[in-house]
Amino acid sequence: DGGITQSPKYLFRKEGQNVTLSCEQNLNHDAMYWYRQDPGQGLRLIYYSQIVNDFQKGDIAEGYSVSREKKESFPLTVTSAQKNPTAFYLCASSYPGGGQPQHFGDGTRLSIL
Amino acid sequence: GENVEQHPSTLSVQEGDSAVIKCTYSDSASNYFPWYKQELGKRPQLIIDIRSNVGEKKDQRIAVTLNKTAKHFSLHITETQPEDSAVYFCAATSGGSYIPTFGRGTSLIVHP
Repeated sequence: DGGITQSPKYLFRKEGQNVTLSCEQNLNHDAMYWYRQDPGQGLRLIYYSQIVNDFQKGDIAEGYSVSREKKESFPLTVTSAQKNPTAFYLCASSYPGGGQPQHFGDGTRLSIL
Repeated sequence: GENVEQHPSTLSVQEGDSAVIKCTYSDSASNYFPWYKQELGKRPQLIIDIRSNVGEKKDQRIAVTLNKTAKHFSLHITETQPEDSAVYFCAATSGGSYIPTFGRGTSLIVHP
């Protein structure tokens, strides 16, 4: 099923390199989110955006950056400042306001070479 | 901010048994409580949700109960099947924020 698409599925990062994870949605959702998932840690919020050209830091934003130039797109860059980037990254979107379920992408698994 | 505790972290049952996963939350203003199922290597998917003006909601073999006074909510799965094996996440969203706080997840294993 479509809706929210993440790419690539697997990504490898060399030391000192920045990498960008793509997230695109065609659900007409205003809100978009990035989560990091580590074993036993649940879903930890990295960044979120309520509207185009605006975004806010989540609980673990250090070493990450985002942009929201289009409603449909919310790319995440993992910078070289993130010393432990190996994880499963999930993008999600929802309608704005409280009480709205989130729709997730299939995730990107990032590993260090 | 909101804090969500989820128990147990692992739950092993025999096929046909019932499974119960419990979550507690700290913010009395929270008013939306979704449950997500994540199969291995796949995306989390919403399976059921409940709002604070309702005490119980059912969908076939799945039910969720909410106790606002005690600030806890539970997922109940009856007649479990091997395909129910997955990680289940609870979440709570405060009325003042649309950002959900997730529990750490429960790995449910259903043995045939």
